[in-house]
Amino acid sequence: AQTIHQWPVAEIKAVGSPLSLGCTIKGKSSPNLYWYWQATGGTLQQLFYSITVGQVESVVQLNLSASRPKDDQFILSTEKLLLSHSGFYLCAWSSRDWGNYAEQFFGPGTRLTVL
Amino acid sequence: GDQVKQSPSALSLQEGTNSALRCNFSIATTTVQWFLQNPRGSLMNLFYLVPGTKENGRLKSTFNSKESYSTLHIRDAQLEDSGTYFCAAPTGGNNKLTFGQGTVLSVIP
Repeated sequence: AQTIHQWPVAEIKAVGSPLSLGCTIKGKSSPNLYWYWQATGGTLQQLFYSITVGQVESVVQLNLSASRPKDDQFILSTEKLLLSHSGFYLCAWSSRDWGNYAEQFFGPGTRLTVL
Repeated sequence: GDQVKQSPSALSLQEGTNSALRCNFSIATTTVQWFLQNPRGSLMNLFYLVPGTKENGRLKSTFNSKESYSTLHIRDAQLEDSGTYFCAAPTGGNNKLTFGQGTVLSVIP
């Protein structure tokens, strides 16, 4: 069975400080990986997706960047946090075999508070 | 405009009653996903649908691609059904899943 792990569970950071959030998926080779952001009380918005190591496509920038250093790992980062970065960040995966319309499965999320 | 519109935005149900949530699409889509987000934030996959109907316990979902809508029926609502229900559909060619605004469901004793 596939498992998806996100770290940290929660972060409280200062405006202007750097950020790195991680996501690892186990039990699935060559997955498509995604980052989503959710404002408190809001809906989910896709930020980035990646279909393979070293390749990341931006959907919505929000002054964030993403990298895929390994097949099973997806990293979200920024050098300077803004207040507007606060929210809930979710990582998701889907099977590459099913293309654009594959079912997506989500990790437990990281709650970020920027002060 | 919103490509995925959910209704109602909030709903309060007496335990043991039935209800339906709806998702309307302004773009053509071939699949729909329904999720339940619990208070901790975890998203649970409820259904992944191509046009047609699926049932799982007290939940049933229908996707009508010709009329561009999907429904989620909850039968015999229980307290643990409380949470935020989202529908989502792939839009564009970037594996992009677009979510509706969600329906906050409260089941009361």
